[in-house]
Amino acid sequence: LAKTTQPISMDSYEGQEVNITCSHNNIATNDYITWYQQFPSQGPRFIIQGYKTKVTNEVASLFIPADRKSSTLSLPRVSLSDTAVYYCLVGDRSGNNRLAFGKGNQVVVIP
Amino acid sequence: DTGVSQDPRHKITKRGQNVTFRCDPISEHNRLYWYRQTLGQGPEFLTYFQNEAQLEKSRLLSDRFSAERPKGSFSTLEIQRTEQGDSAMYLCASSLVPPGQGGYEQYFGPGTRLTVT
Repeated sequence: LAKTTQPISMDSYEGQEVNITCSHNNIATNDYITWYQQFPSQGPRFIIQGYKTKVTNEVASLFIPADRKSSTLSLPRVSLSDTAVYYCLVGDRSGNNRLAFGKGNQVVVIP
Repeated sequence: DTGVSQDPRHKITKRGQNVTFRCDPISEHNRLYWYRQTLGQGPEFLTYFQNEAQLEKSRLLSDRFSAERPKGSFSTLEIQRTEQGDSAMYLCASSLVPPGQGGYEQYFGPGTRLTVT
């Protein structure tokens, strides 16, 4: 499974757009990029998944450049409740779907 | 609530005791996964089931760990002869994967926090 690298933590002010980056230099052709969010004392929650270019849903946008060696999760106008750990994962969608989490990025939203 | 549920939410046990955790997945989901998460780390995959078949268990941490899903619905994770290093959050997740297709969205339960004293 391709390994990912994320910043350990970041702070943002309430109401701002937050962009969280992830590096995955060894991503394979069949790999997708998936982001999960985890609040304290809860299980992770799926946010968004993409293969290339841009994907948007009601929660976030995912930007993937042409070389796919990195990706950026964008959270518009964050609120205090967006304080969480954000995990970037890469892997194909076949087989056992075993998720390989790294340490994630702790995002703290400040009033 | 139709999400993944886990029981108990918290378990404190003494070293050497056996513990069993239960997971009830979303009802129509055919895959069920177990993960372990320690403080400051992301979840670590342990094992998974496709219906009642356990398709991967090589990541179970030792032979003290075992999991079952006898009727393809709920699952149990048992740890025998617990050690202090087993203290962690044990997460269960489920997903619906149609035959011949893949998927990557897993729905996680709230976890069972195990403390071994």
